[in-house]
Amino acid sequence: EAGVAQSPRYKIIEKRQSVAFWCNPISGHATLYWYQQILGQGPKLLIQFQNNGVVDDSQLPKDRFSAERLKGVDSTLKIQPAKLEDSAVYLCASSSGQGAVKLFFGSGTQLSVL
Amino acid sequence: AQSVTQPDIHITVSEGASLELRCNYSYGATPYLFWYVQSPGQGLQLLLKYFSGDTLVQGIKGFEAEFKRSQSSFNLRKPSVHWSDAAEYFCAVGLASSNTGKLIFGQGTTLQVKP
Repeated sequence: EAGVAQSPRYKIIEKRQSVAFWCNPISGHATLYWYQQILGQGPKLLIQFQNNGVVDDSQLPKDRFSAERLKGVDSTLKIQPAKLEDSAVYLCASSSGQGAVKLFFGSGTQLSVL
Repeated sequence: AQSVTQPDIHITVSEGASLELRCNYSYGATPYLFWYVQSPGQGLQLLLKYFSGDTLVQGIKGFEAEFKRSQSSFNLRKPSVHWSDAAEYFCAVGLASSNTGKLIFGQGTTLQVKP
């Protein structure tokens, strides 16, 4: 079974530039999550999708971050414009159910904002 | 507000020694509790989870954890550590009442294993 795929693996940009991350969840998984993991901290949920609808985006900085999952499969997370404090690993996860069941995480995209 | 505290940022143990990683949570209702492991450059892998029932849960790779409601703790243990266990370990609480699958993670404990 293929795991959660994320790309790119690494990204370096300058502040005020824009960047996009892509995630393809495990086939058949209806729930998709984007987490932000700042160095030295645990992951923090940014947004959760159930199929193509948003379940929770309460911690998403909506002035600069956006995410979509148009067809209920893969998803894109965008930052525009980026700030220095956005430097982090962005993890995508998926699960088959909406409840607190087993999450499968991708390897993440490491973003450095200079 | 819900929170998870892992008091030890960094732990070093000798290979073959026993291990205990501490986790305390703050949550008003019945929590779902998880331990994840993250190796360098890898995603998070679920070690074990507690939803209800027996308070001692067994996980993969020889790990176990014990839920103690009176102490609001969910400590991870392993009787004999292997060099391959060196990684970062995260405790997380799931919000059982919300049924959203949202997890709140602790800040992590980095485990170093000495030969």
